[in-house]
Amino acid sequence: AQKVTQAQTEISVVEKEDVTLDCVYETRDTTYYLFWYKQPPSGELVFLIRRNSFDEQNEISGRYSWNFQKSTSSFNFTITASQVVDSAVYFCALSDYSGAGSYQLTFGKGTKLSVIP
Amino acid sequence: ETGVTQTPRHLVMGMTNKKSLKCEQHLGHNAMYWYKQSAKKPLELMFVYNFKEQTENNSVPSRFSPECPNSSHLFLHLHTLQPEDSALYLCASSQRGGLAGEADTQYFGPGTRLTVL
Repeated sequence: AQKVTQAQTEISVVEKEDVTLDCVYETRDTTYYLFWYKQPPSGELVFLIRRNSFDEQNEISGRYSWNFQKSTSSFNFTITASQVVDSAVYFCALSDYSGAGSYQLTFGKGTKLSVIP
Repeated sequence: ETGVTQTPRHLVMGMTNKKSLKCEQHLGHNAMYWYKQSAKKPLELMFVYNFKEQTENNSVPSRFSPECPNSSHLFLHLHTLQPEDSALYLCASSQRGGLAGEADTQYFGPGTRLTVL
């Protein structure tokens, strides 16, 4: 069965520090997809990135970067020069074949990031 | 309106009440989802609809009854709920519902914060 572990429950950093959010996943499939979502206090999950298992290239988008390591089943997320607006709960999610004819998301428990001014 | 909208944003109901949550997506997607987010628990998938047909029901109690009249609207009818059903209920939509041999990205609404007294 698929599983996503976000070992860090809460992290606090001072503004402008870099922070890395860890994500470790388990799946038996060779084809799967990984996602990160941001949930600010307003409640809406905001999509950040989608990555398939065949694309191990790291990705950078502005202050955000993602490190995908199949060898360690990890998909870590780094925020560079953090800002107060980055304060939110961040979810890592895995989508693999559900066996019911479709792919469905399994979420980790989330990491609450607090950026202190 | 753009994206995924949900109404109401907050709902307080007694255990004997009947109420409905509404979700509408303006993205032209064909799949819609209900998730439950409780404190300190991962997001739980409740129901999936693809092209108005229910394709997933993750052992949800019958006091939750979904309805999908068309690909843009999704309802969750609630009756005789329990206090443990208090949670944030999130709706999401995606293009193909993961049926096309790959996982597509789900876009979420802001959620309905439900309190059952």
